[in-house]
Amino acid sequence: GESVGLHLPTLSVQEGDNSIINCAYSNSASDYFIWYKQESGKGPQFIIDIRSNMDKRQGQRVTVLLNKTVKHLSLQIAATQPGDSAVYFCAELHNTNAGKSTFGDGTTLTVKP
Amino acid sequence: GAVVSQHPSRVICKSGTSVKIECRSLDFQATTMFWYRQFPKKSLMLMATSNEGSKATYEQGVEKDKFLINHASLTLSTLTVTSAHPEDSSFYICSARFRDRGAVHYGYTFGSGTRLTVV
Repeated sequence: GESVGLHLPTLSVQEGDNSIINCAYSNSASDYFIWYKQESGKGPQFIIDIRSNMDKRQGQRVTVLLNKTVKHLSLQIAATQPGDSAVYFCAELHNTNAGKSTFGDGTTLTVKP
Repeated sequence: GAVVSQHPSRVICKSGTSVKIECRSLDFQATTMFWYRQFPKKSLMLMATSNEGSKATYEQGVEKDKFLINHASLTLSTLTVTSAHPEDSSFYICSARFRDRGAVHYGYTFGSGTRLTVV
């Protein structure tokens, strides 16, 4: 069956360092990927997305890389700040407009001051 | 931006009672909303897809008579947990699909979640 998973359940980084959170997916038909941030007791917050016709997309302090050959997705956060501490989920959709997202298990990012 | 308001944020109820959770799109019309359930330190699990004016589509293993979904208007979807039991205690999150004017693709926005505790 399909699955979306992250390589590491926890990641601890020093404030100011760059963070890299990885995600592997199994469905080669997936055409849309989203990274979400979830703080404790809150709903997921959209960070950045990427479509399957791209391999890189940049936002403010964040970059998402997509490697369709090995079905791998990563989220890079530059100059990580304490406010970045949260659980990060990757999600994939088969059809961008169908809306059914499959979420990975999440990586807990802890930023040490 | 597209905002979804979810209420209540927390609710405690007794076993056997029913609880209704509301999800409203504040500045856009949401023809499609999604309901997720999340256990502690776990990922989001899609329960059902709610379509305005029609019956919800439930994921495999989700009891439709237990989790009643109503999407009677373009801005409101409700999830009612009927005859709640302690094992229904969880974090429930709604999500809505939206499309900005002129955009080709949809975006997705989430509510802030409802922490349900059944005692």
